[in-house]
Amino acid sequence: DTGVSQNPRHKITKRGQNVTFRCDPISEHNRLYWYRQTLGQGPEFLTYFQNEAQLEKSRLLSDRFSAERPKGSFSTLEIQRTEQGDSAMYLCASSRRLRVRATEAFFGQGTRLTVV
Amino acid sequence: QQPVQSPQAVILREGEDAVINCSSSKALYSVHWYRQKHGEAPIFLMILLKGGEQKGHDKISASFNEKKQQSSLYLTASQLSYSGTYFCGTEIRDDKIIFGKGTRLHILP
Repeated sequence: DTGVSQNPRHKITKRGQNVTFRCDPISEHNRLYWYRQTLGQGPEFLTYFQNEAQLEKSRLLSDRFSAERPKGSFSTLEIQRTEQGDSAMYLCASSRRLRVRATEAFFGQGTRLTVV
Repeated sequence: QQPVQSPQAVILREGEDAVINCSSSKALYSVHWYRQKHGEAPIFLMILLKGGEQKGHDKISASFNEKKQQSSLYLTASQLSYSGTYFCGTEIRDDKIIFGKGTRLHILP
């Protein structure tokens, strides 16, 4: 499978626990995005990377959220001290960013987080 | 900065046409269109770059009016498989993609 891969697909955790999600982008893609989606809403921007550099983090995101993309390959999204409001689908997308034009971004299947 | 989509929901009979609009308050670098079915990830439909281009794929096409900062998605002779929620994603300059709230499309047989 050469698409965007996310693991795990589902995660149930107790409030207050830390969770980490992984995203493996399409191999030649240098840009990687993280989004959060709740029922009936569009994907909400969290953060994005160009290679290993984190270009922006949403101002709506609390300090409990952190993301990394070591060596510009896979990325991890960590949520510390989870709260019930963190329950959502976490989506990763990647694209091959060219200097002179935008290109299509492809989504992974997402990680569904349930905080109980 | 979030693009505004209209309408919020559409109900059509199979074979009818639909138009979904996406507008931004800022100058756009590109517009991305996706379709998402319940419980699944968004699927890429097409990308439009500034320059006022129009694209088409089968019976789904889109236009991008750079001056009006708007894009429209056209679905002609709709099929049952077109049901789902359609999202537009917009980029300002070479920036992140921000998505609208979506347009729910339901096709009746």
